[in-house]
Amino acid sequence: EDKVVQSPLSLVVHEGDTVTLNCSYEVTNFRSLLWYKQEKKAPTFLFMLTSSGIEKKSGRLSSILDKKELFSILNITATQTGDSAVYLCAVLHDYKLSFGAGTTVTVRA
Amino acid sequence: SAVISQKPSRDICQRGTSLTIQCQVDSQVTMMFWYRQQPGQSLTLIATANQGSEATYESGFVIDKFPISRPNLTFSTLTVSNMSPEDSSIYLCSGQGIGDEQFFGPGTRLTVL
Repeated sequence: EDKVVQSPLSLVVHEGDTVTLNCSYEVTNFRSLLWYKQEKKAPTFLFMLTSSGIEKKSGRLSSILDKKELFSILNITATQTGDSAVYLCAVLHDYKLSFGAGTTVTVRA
Repeated sequence: SAVISQKPSRDICQRGTSLTIQCQVDSQVTMMFWYRQQPGQSLTLIATANQGSEATYESGFVIDKFPISRPNLTFSTLTVSNMSPEDSSIYLCSGQGIGDEQFFGPGTRLTVL
């Protein structure tokens, strides 16, 4: 059975802290791993990772994939209250996306 | 990235009725999908909308309950039939381009009384 597991399920930090979100997976026919940010309804695309060891960065967010150990991390540095959201990890395998349960990040001022 | 619109954005319906949700993308995508997100949960794939043919449903979802159409590359509809309170969810459509990224529409928040 295909599995995508995120940890922690939730965390609370203060502005300026750094957070690290984890995503492990077990799927058949892996193609890529995607990270999304969900604040109200629609998930917003952050990153797509296909190759191991290549860090992708966008501002204060970065992510990397380890295809040998079957996991990915998403880092957020110098957190701001606007980073408060649910972060979703999804794995594209065959033709479809399987989602993890998400990590709820709350950033307090 | 593709821009995806959905309508309605929300609706409140009576049990036993049906609701059709529309999804429009601004550029051609290779694949379109429909997801459900029940309260407090993550996204679950309902089906892949295939252009001009029957949708491909995931385990636990059937055509009689969730009929889907995709008459062309940029438009799809999902109908939630014979609704019950358990169908109260956010329904999202997504489009996947050549590069495998999937982009999501704003979602439809459905409440069934």
